[in-house]
Amino acid sequence: AQSVSQHNHHVILSEAASLELGCNYSYGGTVNLFWYVQYPGQHLQLLLKYFSGDPLVKGIKGFEAEFIKSKFSFNLRKPSVQWSDTAEYFCAVNPSGAGSYQLTFGKGTKLSVIP
Amino acid sequence: EPEVTQTPSHQVTQMGQEVILRCVPISNHLYFYWYRQILGQKVEFLVSFYNNEISEKSEIFDDQFSVERPDGSNFTLKIRSTKLEDSAMYFCASSESAGAWDEQFFGPGTRLTVL
Repeated sequence: AQSVSQHNHHVILSEAASLELGCNYSYGGTVNLFWYVQYPGQHLQLLLKYFSGDPLVKGIKGFEAEFIKSKFSFNLRKPSVQWSDTAEYFCAVNPSGAGSYQLTFGKGTKLSVIP
Repeated sequence: EPEVTQTPSHQVTQMGQEVILRCVPISNHLYFYWYRQILGQKVEFLVSFYNNEISEKSEIFDDQFSVERPDGSNFTLKIRSTKLEDSAMYFCASSESAGAWDEQFFGPGTRLTVL
């Protein structure tokens, strides 16, 4: 079975700082990778996803993530955060080509951006 | 923008009681899911549903749980005899088609408290 680790529980940054949130997964085969975000009081929503091709994926709101297969990682980055990025960020995977669409989530990282 | 809705937002029940959590997926979506998140823990997959039957379920989804699409719009999760450990946030999700690449759109969740 697959598992996902997000090592940072809570990250606090000042506006304009750069962001990198770690995500590592464990699975013996090929995976599809996702980052979801949950803004305060709102639904989980998709930030970006990776299935194949260019390992650098661009998502909404200036976020990007890089898939490094050798490190089983899919870290989320943003060069300059804004106060409005304050949210909880979840990394998720599902096994590619296995006919399974369930998402396995990490525990989430809470990001607080200080104006 | 279409969204997944869930009712109620908060349900309080006594241990041993039956609860039904309701979801209205996005109208042209064909795949439906339930996830749950116990406080402080990961979002966990419970079940997926397609073409009026369960397509996948996790170990958590035992005989106490059932899902149903009673009409063309609702998708329900029933817990027959609630336990204290069923207290969690329950999220419904839907996706347009049967593909791991399809974004799962999440509802706002129902917080279930079992006393």
